[in-house]
Amino acid sequence: QKEVEQDPGPLSVPEGAIVSLNCTYSNSAFQYFMWYRQYSRKGPELLMYTYSSGNKEDGRFTAQVDKSSKYISLFIRDSQPSDSATYLCAIGKGGGSYIPTFGRGTSLIVHP
Amino acid sequence: GAVVSQHPSRVICKSGTSVKIECRSLDFQATTMFWYRQFPKQSLMLMATSNEGSKATYEQGVEKDKFLINHASLTLSTLTVASAHPEDSSFYICSARDPDGSYGYTFGSGTRLTVV
Repeated sequence: QKEVEQDPGPLSVPEGAIVSLNCTYSNSAFQYFMWYRQYSRKGPELLMYTYSSGNKEDGRFTAQVDKSSKYISLFIRDSQPSDSATYLCAIGKGGGSYIPTFGRGTSLIVHP
Repeated sequence: GAVVSQHPSRVICKSGTSVKIECRSLDFQATTMFWYRQFPKQSLMLMATSNEGSKATYEQGVEKDKFLINHASLTLSTLTVASAHPEDSSFYICSARDPDGSYGYTFGSGTRLTVV
């Protein structure tokens, strides 16, 4: 079992829809959780990170962590065509071992 | 925010030649940088951790003699793909940890290497 599982998609939604992107992980030692957005042929850019269970909101984006279920989500409200990209979750153990493990990414397509 | 500049963005080379990719942290010092490789529709695979002033740490299965890493200053790390072959064709991305103390990472824009 991979440490981080993420459905590659693609996920196709109409403009304005609420998007839900998810990852599961297997190691309970993971302590911090991040979401990156990657446009085609570009490096990933950090969207959000959080250390604890619960929700964290930033504009149209909400990150949700459920440590008991080892499940994290990213919600995008009022999705726009410019949100079309690959979204990667990244999970890390903190402390000295802070190199995160990345999911394979979910390709999102928001069509007008 | 922190910016990591990567150059070149795209390179095509003949089989057997060597290619150097540069990664620079702008406006901040990065004692550690990370090199990743990404195949189409696949995740980022960590290749090595570049340490300023010392040897790089390579992940299991990554050939040290093929992927040469030099971190000569606090703002520059280079990856040289030695004697490149078509199977080395991939998207290479560097990153550095954000200087704000968080666990976030800033990535370069990536280098698309095509070996013909």
